[in-house]
Amino acid sequence: QSALTQPASVSGSPGQSITISCTGTSSDIGTYDYVSWYQQHPGKAPTTIIYEVTRRPSGVSYRFSGSKSGNTASLTISGLQAEDEADYYCSSRAIGITYVFGSGTKVTV
Amino acid sequence: HVQLVQSGADVKQPGASVKVSCKASGYTLTDNYIHWVRQAPGQRLEWMGWQNSNSGATKFTQTFQGRVTMTADTSMNTAYMELHSLRFDDTAIYYCTRGSGTSLFDYWGQGALVTVSS
Repeated sequence: QSALTQPASVSGSPGQSITISCTGTSSDIGTYDYVSWYQQHPGKAPTTIIYEVTRRPSGVSYRFSGSKSGNTASLTISGLQAEDEADYYCSSRAIGITYVFGSGTKVTV
Repeated sequence: HVQLVQSGADVKQPGASVKVSCKASGYTLTDNYIHWVRQAPGQRLEWMGWQNSNSGATKFTQTFQGRVTMTADTSMNTAYMELHSLRFDDTAIYYCTRGSGTSLFDYWGQGALVTVSS
């Protein structure tokens, strides 16, 4: 199963908003509203920041928001802060009760 | 307080097997699925599969079919992932993560580095 497609890098200035795209197919994102996003700082385990396309786990900042249209999901980070500099990955439920991750995006503030 | 604590780093030769443990605390292992995710050095996250410690059911991505075994010792509240016939490109950090509902991976282990080297 091929990885979901994300831009390799996205950058922004403090206070700005940025959006990361995640493109899949009709076998994953296009069929299931089970898209998640993860933040990973260097040397650390990932943490989940968005699940089921738009939901935030308890404790995650409101500055993170998710959306989906067709085969593409998006993560928007508003009010960019230095601590948001990290790698971001999307994932989606796929056919056969499997899951697939994205290629990853490095965010630079 | 939910925690997943994984076994330590390991070095294996090509062709060998490695078994990574994931000890759950703060909840009962059989109440949730455990998913396994790996990350090769400098590479993306890769979903490997899930296990249901209550029923014993497992599901793996095609990449690992026939090479991975996922088991659990419910008395120890611990899940295990064993990867066989190791290759150099299996060198990676292996994470366990708790599945909550259909798509939320809400808690992650700290990761276990497996190095395949001759």
